[in-house]
Amino acid sequence: ETGVTQSPTHLIKTRGQQVTLRCSSQSGHNTVSWYQQALGQGPQFIFQYYREEENGRGNFPPRFSGLQFPNYSSELNVNALELDDSALYLCASSYRPASYNEQFFGPGTRLTVL
Amino acid sequence: AQSVTQPDIHITVSEGASLELRCNYSYGATPYLFWYVQSPGQGLQLLLKYFSGDTLVQGIKGFEAEFKRSQSSFNLRKPSVHWSDAAEYFCAVADNTNAGKSTFGDGTTLTVKP
Repeated sequence: ETGVTQSPTHLIKTRGQQVTLRCSSQSGHNTVSWYQQALGQGPQFIFQYYREEENGRGNFPPRFSGLQFPNYSSELNVNALELDDSALYLCASSYRPASYNEQFFGPGTRLTVL
Repeated sequence: AQSVTQPDIHITVSEGASLELRCNYSYGATPYLFWYVQSPGQGLQLLLKYFSGDTLVQGIKGFEAEFKRSQSSFNLRKPSVHWSDAAEYFCAVADNTNAGKSTFGDGTTLTVKP
């Protein structure tokens, strides 16, 4: 069974640029959630993708967008990067619909915006 | 809106001593509660979860947590801490149908003294 993987591991961008982060879900999972974890804080929910559609969004602006592909992998895109976007971006996969399901996290992508 | 508070930012315990990490939540319905552990530069690993039944739940690595509805708390405990338990611990709450939309606390950093 393959766990959740993310790429790249680290990324450095400058303000105003655009970035794409990638996530492969765990085998058997059909749902992907993205979280932003700023330094010294807990993860904050960005959005979730289920059946290739956005299924809920946290308090993040539209310049944060995503995709989910037929194989359930997912991308997070951030446009017009700001310094405050520097964070660890975590992807988690789960299976829906299922009551009391669990989510499994990838190792994250560390984004630094200069 | 749901929220999670972890009152202790940093806790230091001696190896072999007992541990209790506090978590208070705010949630309008029956909460689905989690504790995760994060080692430096890593993703999150689920320690345990609670959704109903016995209010004392057992998890991995010798951890347990007690749900107290009257106090809106879900504290994590371990009878004897090992040096390898040094990490950051996060409490989270979600809807019982979708763990992938969790709200996290800001975490407690555990340091273990030899």
